[in-house]
Amino acid sequence: DIQMTQSPSSLSASVGDRVTITCRASQSINNYLNWYQQKPGKAPKLLMFAASSLQGGVPSRFSGSGSGTDFTLTISSLQPEDFATYYCQQSYSTPPWTFGQGTKVEIK
Amino acid sequence: QVQLQESGPGLVKPSETLSLTCTVSGGSIKNFYWTWIRQPPGKGLEWIGHIYYSGSTDYNPSLKSRVTISIDTSKNQFSLNLNSVTAADTAVYYCARDRWYWGHWGQGILVTVSS
Repeated sequence: DIQMTQSPSSLSASVGDRVTITCRASQSINNYLNWYQQKPGKAPKLLMFAASSLQGGVPSRFSGSGSGTDFTLTISSLQPEDFATYYCQQSYSTPPWTFGQGTKVEIK
Repeated sequence: QVQLQESGPGLVKPSETLSLTCTVSGGSIKNFYWTWIRQPPGKGLEWIGHIYYSGSTDYNPSLKSRVTISIDTSKNQFSLNLNSVTAADTAVYYCARDRWYWGHWGQGILVTVSS
C-alpha cells in the first residue's frame, strides 16, 4: 500500500494567516492526490482533486500543488470557517486508496 | 443534487456481522462507483472498498477476507457487510459516490461493536 504522511499533525494559526500543509507519498503518485476538509461530526468535504484542481464551490483561497511524492495545500488567508482537520488521499493506479493521518488547524 | 444516506444498526455484538445500507436519492445509481469509508472515533479515514453499478468490486486488502459490498440498482441502494467484527471495527461508516475521490458523502453512521 502507498503510505501518505502529512505534516504537521496540528498547527495553530490566526485569522488572515497563510497556512501550508504538506503531504508526502511513499512512492510517486503523479498528481493523483486529493484534499479534504473535515469539521467535527461532519463528513469530509472535497477541496481539491488531481493535486491542483479546485472542487466546485470551494473558495479560491484554497490551492494545491505538487507532483510525484510531495504535495502542499495552501490556504492564502485563513478564515474562521477554515478551522478544521485536513486530509490528503491518494488514488494512484490501483486500490487501496489511502489517506494521510490528518492535520488539525486550530485557532491561535 | 445527489444525496446519500446510511442506515443500519448502531450496535453490533463482537463476532457478528455489521450490515449497512446506503440509499441514493436525487440521481441514478447507474454509471457510477459507490464507496464505503470508515473513521474510528478520534482517528483518521480508511477506505473500505467500492462497487461499480455493474457489480464489480475492489476491497481494501486489510479487510478483504471479511467484507462484501453489494448493489441493488432497482432500489438505488448499495450495502456493506463486514463479518466477524471486533471492537476495532467501531467507527463512523460513510458511503460516498465515485471511484478515485469523493465529492458526495452521506452524513455517516456510528457503529459500535460491543456486547
